Parts: sequence; structure tokens; C-alpha cells
Amino acid sequence: DGGITQSPKYLFRKEGQNVTLSCEQNLNHDAMYWYRQDPGQGLRLIYYSQIVNDFQKGDIAEGYSVSREKKESFPLTVTSAQKNPTAFYLCASSKKGLAGDYEQYFGPGTRLTVT
Amino acid sequence: QQQVKQSPQSLIVQKGGISIINCAYENTAFDYFPWYQQFPGKGPALLIAIRPDVSEKKEGRFTISFNKSAKQFSLHIMDSQPGDSATYFCAACAGGTSYGKLTFGQGTILTVHP
Repeated sequence: DGGITQSPKYLFRKEGQNVTLSCEQNLNHDAMYWYRQDPGQGLRLIYYSQIVNDFQKGDIAEGYSVSREKKESFPLTVTSAQKNPTAFYLCASSKKGLAGDYEQYFGPGTRLTVT
Repeated sequence: QQQVKQSPQSLIVQKGGISIINCAYENTAFDYFPWYQQFPGKGPALLIAIRPDVSEKKEGRFTISFNKSAKQFSLHIMDSQPGDSATYFCAACAGGTSYGKLTFGQGTILTVHP
């Protein structure tokens, strides 16, 4: 069954703790992305990676960190420096080819609550 | 210049009616315009997408209309059904160094009454 998995579905943390969200894909996609979604708002790009061992900051990278050691995996760490971390986090992936295949496919999301 | 503006914020349609959601953009480098459908608590799912070399694309009950000169594109849902009730997002993407960076609209909550 091909797709993108995110775990856990719900995550609760105390303020001041770092937390890592998992994202795995078996679609053989080169590029992976992390978005944040807040109620009533669109998706905002946190980080993206077009190839293993390389990643770029998106529009709201402050307080977040990522790694891309394997093609299939793109974990996101929400650090204590992120001022308002409670949100719905979405991971996505896409193929990357010379023709510029931009279709992004999303995982089911992780809802993070920090108190 | 990176913004994509989406309207309306919410839309109520009767079953069988036509739902129309509009988006406008400024960045002329955008060359890919997808629409996503999202149900509560789920990740968005790609619905339909268009590139600026065509003015319309239809897939089943869903049609994208694209107006390059006006920098606007819209989603039309024909014969709207209660199962279409969801949040819809338009997005846009440019190539080159901005490859893969989707810029999303704010979303439209569609409610289809039976």
C-alpha cells in the first residue's frame, strides 16, 4: 500500500520540550515537504527537501529543524524556540523530474498540542 | 507577490447546484495551479490541477477555469453533493529555484445542503 505515513496522529507535549514528528513515504518521491496548518488558514511551508542530505527553509522555518538522511524519511523537530507550536502538521512528497512534476501528495497529518 | 488570494471564505450550496471558488495571484512566474480538497482531520487530497497553457480543464464534475491575463483561476463543482462538503484550497507553484514551493490560498469551507 503506497503512500505517506505520519505518526503519531495526536501528540501532546509540555511547553519547553522538543518534539519530533515522523514522516515516511514509500512512493519513491525525491522531494518532501512540511507544512503547518492553523484553523481558518491555508497551509504554510516550514521546510522542504528536494534530495537526500539537502533541505531548504520555507516561509516559517523559525523554531523548527529537519533532517533528510534517507529518501523515504523527513522528520520534523519542533523546538522549544517555536513560540506557538500548537497546530496541525502536514507532510507531503512529490516526484522531481526534468519536466517539473509538481504534484504533491499529503500524509494524514499530526495534531500537536503544547500546554 | 507570493500571495494567492482565495474567495469566498465559506460557501453554502444546495444539492445539485454549482459551487464556484475563485483565486487570484500576482506572481507571473507561477506555472502550476492545483486545487486540494480537505476533510476535517485529514490531509489535503489533490483534486485537479492546471497549467497556464490551457484555459480550462475538466475532470468529472470538477472544472478549473484559468484566465492568464487576469491572473485568476477558479474551481467549479457541478451538481454539488453533500459528500463534497469540505474545505477547498487553491495553490500555485513556480519552477526554477522555487521548484515545489506551493503557495496556498486561505481556503473555502463548502457546505452542500441536501
